[in-house]
Amino acid sequence: SYVLTQPPSVSVAPGKTATITCGGNNIGSKSVHWYQKKPGQAPLLVSYYDSDRPSGIPERFSGSNSGNTATLTISRVEAGDEADYYCQVWEINSDYPVFGGGTKLTVL
Amino acid sequence: EVQLVESGGGLVQQGGSLRLSCEVSGLSVSNNYMSWVRQAPGKGLEWVSVIYTGGTTYYADSVRGRFSISRDNSKNILYLQMNSLRADDTAVYYCVDHYCSRGSCHFDFWGQGTLVTVSS
Repeated sequence: SYVLTQPPSVSVAPGKTATITCGGNNIGSKSVHWYQKKPGQAPLLVSYYDSDRPSGIPERFSGSNSGNTATLTISRVEAGDEADYYCQVWEINSDYPVFGGGTKLTVL
Repeated sequence: EVQLVESGGGLVQQGGSLRLSCEVSGLSVSNNYMSWVRQAPGKGLEWVSVIYTGGTTYYADSVRGRFSISRDNSKNILYLQMNSLRADDTAVYYCVDHYCSRGSCHFDFWGQGTLVTVSS
């Protein structure tokens, strides 16, 4: 099965830029979606189809995907961005979706 | 407005059974791919099972043979029958629908989750 690899944790100071990666074999050929998960809340889609942003998600959140790495970039990080972030892929011609292991974003 | 409301979670002994329900409004369970996704305490998100519009079902290796996903089209409810429960099935279970486009699917609307605790 397809494996997505994320760093367990990323730390960033308020106002700086956070970069969260998602590695997978030739992931650049797939569409990658990103979710934000806060304790006690359902996951929230923050980026989809590599670089699209759902309605209501700040422009500070942006995605990219190339080669073997997809990236979620959060600019001008705020305390409220502290959460776990998960990447996900699911090709229509495959049987089921795959999540990355998740990255805990800590705002210092 | 789309709403997904899970119920049926609770405390169960190892080896026991539970049936989760997800009452859906604002979209049709028969016209959408529907999944169950879970998160164990301190762990990441794990996809559990999907039912496609045509009725085809798939399961994660960890639950195959023990869990069964189904739906009641007339009531617009999604179910997850969980048998032979193990301690590592302890998790919050989310009911989720999908949106598919451009050859890929993502999880769209989520329920609030229901907690299943399996005691050993």
